[in-house]
Amino acid sequence: DAGITQSPRHKVTETGTPVTLRCHQTENHRYMYWYRQDPGHGLRLIHYSYGVKDTDKGEVSDGYSVSRSKTEDFLLTLESATSSQTSVYFCAISDRTGRDPEQYFGPGTRLTVT
Amino acid sequence: AQSVTQPDIHITVSEGASLELRCNYSYGATPYLFWYVQSPGQGLQLLLKYFSGDTLVQGIKGFEAEFKRSQSSFNLRKPSVHWSDAAEYFCAVGTTSGTYKYIFGTGTRLKVLA
Repeated sequence: DAGITQSPRHKVTETGTPVTLRCHQTENHRYMYWYRQDPGHGLRLIHYSYGVKDTDKGEVSDGYSVSRSKTEDFLLTLESATSSQTSVYFCAISDRTGRDPEQYFGPGTRLTVT
Repeated sequence: AQSVTQPDIHITVSEGASLELRCNYSYGATPYLFWYVQSPGQGLQLLLKYFSGDTLVQGIKGFEAEFKRSQSSFNLRKPSVHWSDAAEYFCAVGTTSGTYKYIFGTGTRLKVLA
């Protein structure tokens, strides 16, 4: 299994509070991604990173920010959590050398905003 | 814009029957193609992937998928379904140029009748 961890694995927070989710990899992969998964929507891309300090928005980026100060860590921040951000969040990594375009997933973080 | 369509939200089959899950995509070139399976409360497991070459791809758990360029499809098949196959299945497309992203379908939930 690819070395990807997410922390915390579960979190309950109140509306209006800031929340940061962490994704950590030990594979030295260039690309990192944050998705949210909601019933009926599959996985939707929030933000992704194609290198240290290089990030871009996905299709559902409103209300989220990210940072990547080193290769192994990709942080997702909800500046002021809302109930609509209750979801399961998955981090993923990819090397994209052309030999291995596969994406590897972390175990997920279940976030509940009350 | 790139997109993935899984037209069947729910499918019910009897144990031992054959299965086909449909996936159509919209992309300007031949993408990388993936099928994932997710059991309730679990993460995503890769079933199979297509990068290039033989358009019939074999995966784990007895699954196979066929890439049909003319139909922009990558349908998943299994000749005989087992009760343990009950889960949600996601088709995904990986872009092959620019900044590399993955687009997921909304999923098909499979129910297996004993």
